[in-house]
Amino acid sequence: KNQVEQSPQSLIILEGKNCTLQCNYTVSPFSNLRWYKQDTGRGPVSLTIMTFSENTKSNGRYTATLDADTKQSSLHITASQLSDSASYICVVSANSGGYQKVTFGIGTKLQVIP
Amino acid sequence: EPEVTQTPSHQVTQMGQEVILRCVPISNHLYFYWYRQILGQKVEFLVSFYNNEISEKSEIFDDQFSVERPDGSNFTLKIRSTKLEDSAMYFCASSEESRARTEAFFGQGTRLTVV
Repeated sequence: KNQVEQSPQSLIILEGKNCTLQCNYTVSPFSNLRWYKQDTGRGPVSLTIMTFSENTKSNGRYTATLDADTKQSSLHITASQLSDSASYICVVSANSGGYQKVTFGIGTKLQVIP
Repeated sequence: EPEVTQTPSHQVTQMGQEVILRCVPISNHLYFYWYRQILGQKVEFLVSFYNNEISEKSEIFDDQFSVERPDGSNFTLKIRSTKLEDSAMYFCASSEESRARTEAFFGQGTRLTVV
């Protein structure tokens, strides 16, 4: 069964600090992995998308890594800002009979405090 | 910047009633999706739509659900006879190409409350 596990469930950090969120998956055959940011009561917004051959991808202060061998990904946030407070969701896609099966993680709830 | 728009933002309905959730995808996008998120739970895929037909659906998307693209701009999700457990945030998304190649852009969601 395809699963995406994220840790920690929640995290509180001081403004300006860095943090790293983890995602482990058991999805196959792997197609791509995305990180989304979801503000409370809003739709998810894409941060990065990584395919099998990509190890690292950056988007501003966000850097995602992917280890396809260990089936792990991380999202590193540098110099956090109050506006980074949100849920961060890891989403993994698998190829299935020509279609994409998408599995969402439950997300890590990040709170950045002054 | 183009965006996916959803209406209404909040819908309250009585159990057993039919509801239609509306979405206007980004204009040059060809693939459309519906997802739902029950409060406190993860986002779940419902259905994808391409070329005027369903291309994929999850086990959640049973006979009480249907989707339609009634004109060139709208994409709707109909729930025929709502149940209490249908209460959730429903997100519409669209993408230029299939999910394998491009990102999907999400709307702000419709919060459906079934009473």
